[in-house]
Amino acid sequence: EVQLVESGGGLVQPGGSLRLSCAASGFTFSSYDMHWVRQATGKGLEWVSAIGTAGDTYYPGSVKGRFTISRENAKNSLYLQMNSLRAGDTAVYYCARVAAGTAAFDIWGQGTMVTVSS
Amino acid sequence: DIQMTQSPSSVSASVGDRVTITCRASQGISSWLAWYQQKPGKAPKLLIYAASSLQSGVPSRFSGSGSGTDFTLTISSLQPEDFATYYCQQANSFPTFGQGTRLEIK
Repeated sequence: EVQLVESGGGLVQPGGSLRLSCAASGFTFSSYDMHWVRQATGKGLEWVSAIGTAGDTYYPGSVKGRFTISRENAKNSLYLQMNSLRAGDTAVYYCARVAAGTAAFDIWGQGTMVTVSS
Repeated sequence: DIQMTQSPSSVSASVGDRVTITCRASQGISSWLAWYQQKPGKAPKLLIYAASSLQSGVPSRFSGSGSGTDFTLTISSLQPEDFATYYCQQANSFPTFGQGTRLEIK
Protein backbone atom coordinates (compact mmCIF):
# COMPACT_ATOMS: atom_id res chain seq x y z
CA GLU A 1 0.00 0.00 0.00
CA VAL A 2 1.27 3.45 -0.93
CA GLN A 3 1.51 5.40 2.30
CA LEU A 4 3.00 8.47 3.97
CA VAL A 5 3.18 8.70 7.76
CA GLU A 6 4.21 11.92 9.51
CA SER A 7 5.62 12.18 13.02
CA GLY A 8 7.41 14.68 15.23
CA GLY A 9 4.70 17.22 15.92
CA GLY A 10 4.03 18.64 19.35
CA LEU A 11 4.00 21.72 21.55
CA VAL A 12 6.94 24.12 21.27
CA GLN A 13 7.57 27.59 22.63
CA PRO A 14 7.89 30.61 20.35
CA GLY A 15 11.44 30.79 19.03
CA GLY A 16 11.91 27.06 19.45
CA SER A 17 12.66 24.31 16.95
CA LEU A 18 11.01 21.09 15.84
CA ARG A 19 11.85 18.43 13.27
CA LEU A 20 9.07 16.66 11.43
CA SER A 21 9.53 13.31 9.69
CA CYS A 22 7.54 11.61 6.95
CA ALA A 23 8.02 7.88 6.33
CA ALA A 24 7.14 6.69 2.84
CA SER A 25 6.25 3.15 1.84
CA GLY A 26 4.80 1.27 -1.09
CA PHE A 27 6.51 3.27 -3.83
CA THR A 28 9.98 4.26 -5.08
CA PHE A 29 10.45 7.30 -2.85
CA SER A 30 13.57 8.55 -4.62
CA SER A 31 11.65 8.99 -7.89
CA TYR A 32 9.17 11.57 -6.61
CA ASP A 33 9.17 15.25 -5.74
CA MET A 34 7.87 15.74 -2.20
CA HIS A 35 6.23 18.67 -0.42
CA TRP A 36 5.05 19.84 2.97
CA VAL A 37 1.66 21.57 3.19
CA ARG A 38 0.12 22.97 6.37
CA GLN A 39 -3.34 23.86 7.56
CA ALA A 40 -4.18 25.98 10.57
CA THR A 41 -7.31 24.94 12.44
CA GLY A 42 -10.39 25.96 10.49
CA LYS A 43 -8.28 27.51 7.72
CA GLY A 44 -7.20 26.62 4.21
CA LEU A 45 -4.16 24.84 2.83
CA GLU A 46 -0.76 26.55 2.62
CA TRP A 47 2.27 25.22 0.79
CA VAL A 48 5.36 25.14 3.04
CA SER A 49 8.24 23.59 1.11
CA ALA A 50 9.26 21.29 -1.72
CA ILE A 51 12.20 19.06 -2.59
CA GLY A 52 12.92 17.59 -5.97
CA THR A 53 14.38 14.22 -6.79
CA ALA A 54 17.80 15.87 -7.23
CA GLY A 55 17.59 17.49 -3.79
CA ASP A 56 16.69 20.97 -5.05
CA THR A 57 14.59 22.83 -2.47
CA TYR A 58 11.96 25.57 -2.58
CA TYR A 59 10.15 27.67 0.02
CA PRO A 60 7.57 30.44 0.20
CA GLY A 61 8.62 33.73 1.73
CA SER A 62 6.73 33.01 4.96
CA VAL A 63 9.14 30.24 6.00
CA LYS A 64 12.28 30.87 3.93
CA GLY A 65 15.35 31.06 6.16
CA ARG A 66 13.53 29.37 9.06
CA PHE A 67 12.45 25.98 7.63
CA THR A 68 14.63 23.40 5.88
CA ILE A 69 13.29 20.48 3.90
CA SER A 70 15.48 17.43 3.30
CA ARG A 71 15.18 13.83 2.25
CA GLU A 72 17.03 10.58 2.93
CA ASN A 73 16.22 8.22 0.07
CA ALA A 74 17.99 5.26 1.68
CA LYS A 75 15.50 5.52 4.55
CA ASN A 76 12.49 6.50 2.41
CA SER A 77 12.13 9.55 4.58
CA LEU A 78 11.31 13.22 4.23
CA TYR A 79 12.08 15.80 6.89
CA LEU A 80 11.16 19.36 7.80
CA GLN A 81 13.44 21.20 10.23
CA MET A 82 11.56 24.17 11.65
CA ASN A 83 13.47 26.88 13.53
CA SER A 84 12.49 30.23 15.01
CA LEU A 85 8.91 29.04 15.29
CA ARG A 86 6.10 31.57 15.65
CA ALA A 87 2.50 31.34 16.80
CA GLY A 88 1.48 31.68 13.16
CA ASP A 89 3.23 28.38 12.36
CA THR A 90 0.66 26.50 14.46
CA ALA A 91 -1.03 24.03 12.11
CA VAL A 92 -1.39 20.45 10.99
CA TYR A 93 1.55 19.64 8.75
CA TYR A 94 1.07 17.20 5.89
CA CYS A 95 3.68 15.61 3.67
CA ALA A 96 2.50 15.01 0.13
CA ARG A 97 3.75 13.27 -2.98
CA VAL A 98 3.62 14.91 -6.39
CA ALA A 99 2.09 12.66 -9.03
CA ALA A 100 4.47 12.21 -11.93
CA GLY A 101 3.80 14.62 -14.77
CA THR A 102 0.84 16.34 -13.12
CA ALA A 103 2.24 18.64 -10.40
CA ALA A 104 -0.75 17.56 -8.28
CA PHE A 105 -0.53 15.97 -4.83
CA ASP A 106 -1.79 12.43 -5.23
CA ILE A 107 -0.73 10.94 -1.90
CA TRP A 108 -0.98 12.70 1.49
CA GLY A 109 -0.01 11.66 4.98
CA GLN A 110 -2.45 11.85 7.88
CA GLY A 111 -0.81 14.99 9.23
CA THR A 112 1.01 15.91 12.43
CA MET A 113 -0.01 18.80 14.68
CA VAL A 114 2.45 21.54 15.58
CA THR A 115 1.45 24.01 18.28
CA VAL A 116 3.62 27.03 18.97
CA SER A 117 2.65 28.55 22.30
CA SER A 118 4.14 29.67 25.58
CA ASP B 1 2.51 34.62 -6.35
CA ILE B 2 -0.52 33.36 -8.24
CA GLN B 3 -3.69 33.95 -6.24
CA MET B 4 -6.56 31.47 -6.47
CA THR B 5 -10.11 32.62 -5.75
CA GLN B 6 -12.91 30.11 -5.29
CA SER B 7 -16.62 30.77 -5.34
CA PRO B 8 -18.87 30.32 -3.60
CA SER B 9 -17.24 30.06 -0.15
CA SER B 10 -20.07 27.78 0.89
CA VAL B 11 -23.04 26.17 -0.78
CA SER B 12 -26.02 24.20 0.48
CA ALA B 13 -27.42 21.45 -1.69
CA SER B 14 -29.44 18.25 -1.54
CA VAL B 15 -28.62 14.68 -2.46
CA GLY B 16 -29.07 14.32 -6.21
CA ASP B 17 -28.39 17.98 -6.97
CA ARG B 18 -25.86 19.16 -9.54
CA VAL B 19 -23.26 21.48 -8.00
CA THR B 20 -20.63 23.66 -9.66
CA ILE B 21 -17.69 25.32 -7.90
CA THR B 22 -15.53 27.86 -9.68
CA CYS B 23 -11.89 28.80 -9.28
CA ARG B 24 -10.18 31.80 -10.83
CA ALA B 25 -6.42 32.30 -11.09
CA SER B 26 -4.85 35.76 -10.89
CA GLN B 27 -2.88 34.96 -14.04
CA GLY B 28 -2.98 32.29 -16.71
CA ILE B 29 -1.99 28.82 -15.58
CA SER B 30 -2.83 26.85 -18.74
CA SER B 31 -4.33 23.59 -17.44
CA TRP B 32 -2.15 23.31 -14.35
CA LEU B 33 -5.01 23.01 -11.91
CA ALA B 34 -6.04 20.36 -9.42
CA TRP B 35 -9.12 19.87 -7.24
CA TYR B 36 -9.17 18.24 -3.81
CA GLN B 37 -11.87 17.07 -1.42
CA GLN B 38 -11.29 17.30 2.32
CA LYS B 39 -13.45 15.90 5.10
CA PRO B 40 -13.10 17.00 8.75
CA GLY B 41 -10.00 15.62 10.43
CA LYS B 42 -8.73 14.04 7.22
CA ALA B 43 -6.08 14.84 4.66
CA PRO B 44 -7.14 16.25 1.30
CA LYS B 45 -7.90 13.77 -1.45
CA LEU B 46 -7.01 14.42 -5.10
CA LEU B 47 -10.07 14.40 -7.38
CA ILE B 48 -9.01 16.11 -10.61
CA TYR B 49 -5.61 16.99 -12.07
CA ALA B 50 -4.62 18.86 -15.22
CA ALA B 51 -7.94 20.71 -14.94
CA SER B 52 -10.07 17.88 -16.33
CA SER B 53 -8.38 14.51 -15.73
CA LEU B 54 -10.13 12.29 -13.22
CA GLN B 55 -7.84 10.73 -10.62
CA SER B 56 -7.95 6.95 -10.51
CA GLY B 57 -10.69 5.65 -8.22
CA VAL B 58 -12.68 8.89 -8.16
CA PRO B 59 -16.35 8.51 -9.18
CA SER B 60 -17.28 9.76 -12.63
CA ARG B 61 -19.89 12.17 -11.19
CA PHE B 62 -16.91 14.48 -10.54
CA SER B 63 -15.65 16.45 -13.53
CA GLY B 64 -13.44 19.44 -14.12
CA SER B 65 -13.12 21.94 -16.92
CA GLY B 66 -11.40 25.17 -17.87
CA SER B 67 -8.03 26.55 -18.86
CA GLY B 68 -6.13 29.79 -18.55
CA THR B 69 -7.67 31.58 -15.57
CA ASP B 70 -11.17 30.13 -15.12
CA PHE B 71 -11.97 26.63 -13.94
CA THR B 72 -14.94 24.66 -12.66
CA LEU B 73 -15.53 21.53 -10.63
CA THR B 74 -18.91 19.90 -11.19
CA ILE B 75 -20.55 17.16 -9.19
CA SER B 76 -23.33 15.84 -11.39
CA SER B 77 -25.50 14.15 -8.76
CA LEU B 78 -24.57 14.73 -5.14
CA GLN B 79 -24.18 11.71 -2.91
CA PRO B 80 -24.17 11.81 0.92
CA GLU B 81 -20.42 11.19 1.02
CA ASP B 82 -19.73 14.27 -1.14
CA PHE B 83 -20.51 16.78 1.60
CA ALA B 84 -17.06 18.16 2.36
CA THR B 85 -14.78 21.11 1.64
CA TYR B 86 -13.27 21.45 -1.84
CA TYR B 87 -10.03 23.21 -2.74
CA CYS B 88 -8.49 24.16 -6.05
CA GLN B 89 -4.71 24.35 -6.42
CA GLN B 90 -2.64 25.85 -9.18
CA ALA B 91 0.39 23.83 -10.23
CA ASN B 92 1.84 26.25 -12.78
CA SER B 93 4.37 27.59 -10.28
CA PHE B 94 4.94 27.13 -6.57
CA PRO B 95 1.63 25.70 -5.34
CA THR B 96 -1.13 27.95 -4.10
CA PHE B 97 -4.62 26.93 -3.06
CA GLY B 98 -8.03 28.51 -3.19
CA GLN B 99 -9.64 29.39 0.13
CA GLY B 100 -12.01 26.43 -0.06
CA THR B 101 -15.70 25.85 -0.73
CA ARG B 102 -17.74 24.17 1.98
CA LEU B 103 -20.49 21.97 0.55
CA GLU B 104 -23.24 21.49 3.11
CA ILE B 105 -26.44 19.48 3.21
CA LYS B 106 -29.58 21.55 2.64
